[in-house]
Amino acid sequence: NAGVTQTPKFRVLKTGQSMTLLCAQDMNHEYMYWYRQDPGMGLRLIHYSVGEGTTAKGEVPDGYNVSRLKKQNFLLGLESAAPSQTSVYFCASRDLGQGARETQYFGPGTRLLVL
Amino acid sequence: EDKVVQSPLSLVVHEGDTVTLNCSYEVTNFRSLLWYKQEKKAPTFLFMLTSSGIEKKSGRLSSILDKKELFSILNITATQTGDSAVYLCAHYGGSQGNLIFGKGTKLSVKP
Repeated sequence: NAGVTQTPKFRVLKTGQSMTLLCAQDMNHEYMYWYRQDPGMGLRLIHYSVGEGTTAKGEVPDGYNVSRLKKQNFLLGLESAAPSQTSVYFCASRDLGQGARETQYFGPGTRLLVL
Repeated sequence: EDKVVQSPLSLVVHEGDTVTLNCSYEVTNFRSLLWYKQEKKAPTFLFMLTSSGIEKKSGRLSSILDKKELFSILNITATQTGDSAVYLCAHYGGSQGNLIFGKGTKLSVKP
């Protein structure tokens, strides 16, 4: 099993450009999450999904959109990139249920630089 | 407001030292507290704690939860340079039932 994978690993954008980050998981997890990590700010939730076809806003959703058309994939879109979106983006997934099944597993991250 | 506060924010020790990392939290409905280790890339899971007073151990790492006082500690004994990382504490909370992370403790172990 590959676990959680993310593409691309690194990207440079100009202000105003758009792009899509792809997250894929092969663990048949119901829940998927997108976080951003900035120095001194920890990990903050952007959007999340509790199942195929569903999405919801997290703590910092502005400027991002998401889609979950297939259970294994969770896409994060930036329609018009801004320098404030320079960050490292992590995707995570977890199983449905409680206890040990609540453990979130993270992808390797995407480093995004917006000039 | 649900939140997680970790201390210290950074720590420098020498190989062989024992360290204790602290995590205090506020949560409306507690479910579990998790510890992650983050080196260069993704956070990797260490422990999940749900019951007070029960220590979880994995090699030189151990963690315990105090639900009455709302804190957890992560102990690392006989530290090695490979333990150098940011250690993240998180709990499930918030209106979305998602993980709320602390800002992390950056541990540097010098040879």
